[in-house]
Amino acid sequence: AQSVTQPDIHITVSEGASLELRCNYSYGATPYLFWYVQSPGQGLQLLLKYFSGDTLVQGIKGFEAEFKRSQSSFNLRKPSVHWSDAAEYFCAVGGNDYKLSFGAGTTVTVRA
Amino acid sequence: EADIYQTPRYLVIGTGKKITLECSQTMGHDKMYWYQQDPGMELHLIHYSYGVNSTEKGDLSSESTVSRIRTEHFPLTLESARPSHTSQYLCASTSDVGNTIYFGEGSWLTVV
Repeated sequence: AQSVTQPDIHITVSEGASLELRCNYSYGATPYLFWYVQSPGQGLQLLLKYFSGDTLVQGIKGFEAEFKRSQSSFNLRKPSVHWSDAAEYFCAVGGNDYKLSFGAGTTVTVRA
Repeated sequence: EADIYQTPRYLVIGTGKKITLECSQTMGHDKMYWYQQDPGMELHLIHYSYGVNSTEKGDLSSESTVSRIRTEHFPLTLESARPSHTSQYLCASTSDVGNTIYFGEGSWLTVV
């Protein structure tokens, strides 16, 4: 069975500070990994994805994530957050059938 | 920009009513999915389709049904809505080219 754990329910970060969101997954084969962002009342926007190759993945809005197979992790990072980054972030895992399992999400609050 | 659309965006309906949530994509994707998301919770796959006349149930049991008569449409129907069906329903689609899963903006359903 596949699953995702996002250990941090809520993170508060100051504008301009760095951000790291944790994601641990369980998957029986080589996983497809995704990070999505969701603003209130909106759908999901893809930030980045990993399928193979370079384990450091660059995404939109200045986000990056690193796939660590030995730790079953796919943590999301941003060097300097902006107030507009306040949202809920979801990590997801799946295979080539694209049936995704999502984590419970991490809510990011940005303080001025 | 994703070309996947959901209607209605918001719906308040009485118990026992029949409702259909529409999902359309103009990208010619074979694979389409419905996810259910309760407020503040993770998304759960409830239905998926790999092409016309192909529908399967997802990991989370749901009383809803789906159909796939045309590639671009994947409607979800509840024959008799109940308050327990109150949730957000997100539609998604993908093809094997580009490996990107696109999500609609979601349909918020409230059953009173």
